[in-house]
Amino acid sequence: EVQLVESGGGLVQPGGSLRLSCEVSGFAVTTNYVSWVRQAPGKGLEWVSVIYSGGTTYYAESVRGRFTISRDTFRNTVYLQLNSLRAEDTALYYCAREGSSSYDAFDFWGQGTLVTVSS
Amino acid sequence: SYVLTQPPSVSVAPGKTATIACGGDNIGSKSVHWYQQRPGQAPVLVIHYDSDRPSGIPERFSGANSGNTATLTISRVEAGDEAVYYCQVWESRGDYPDWVFGGGTKLTVL
Repeated sequence: EVQLVESGGGLVQPGGSLRLSCEVSGFAVTTNYVSWVRQAPGKGLEWVSVIYSGGTTYYAESVRGRFTISRDTFRNTVYLQLNSLRAEDTALYYCAREGSSSYDAFDFWGQGTLVTVSS
Repeated sequence: SYVLTQPPSVSVAPGKTATIACGGDNIGSKSVHWYQQRPGQAPVLVIHYDSDRPSGIPERFSGANSGNTATLTISRVEAGDEAVYYCQVWESRGDYPDWVFGGGTKLTVL
């Protein structure tokens, strides 16, 4: 059974940092793409970052240079390091699985971890 | 960047058919995916590759994509279908890929 479980969210001051984790089971992070998608309170979905099965990474323009995605293949876990946080980064952060192609859909999602940036 | 436009809301009576549109420039040339998000829950994939239903999704859900509009159709609407529905595509912008979501359509079952 495919599962993704996020953790690491919390309250952080503007300019602060946080590291989110996405522990996956039922598949290997080396065989599927894993993305982070966020949702600000009462708003829609926004793609944030992806790590390909081969390890290549990409970021949305809004977070490029501030966020870093990585993975631990032994722990089958994907991480999102959030630096220089801003109020507009406040959101529920989901990790989601794709197939092995960028054209594939996000077929499994975690339940999300909430990041609140406030002083 | 590529923009997907959805109506903010659609209302339908139980047992009727709901149609949710997703507009984008030449969207017919792209693969469109649809997600259902019930209140307080994570999104669930209901249609992928324009019109394919993932395992476990009722046949009442169908999709089409042509020209500048993709559509999600829900037949024989039930109270449990009340949710926000998002369309999504992938596009390549030079060296950078982008996964784009529409703004979402809230389906209200009257």
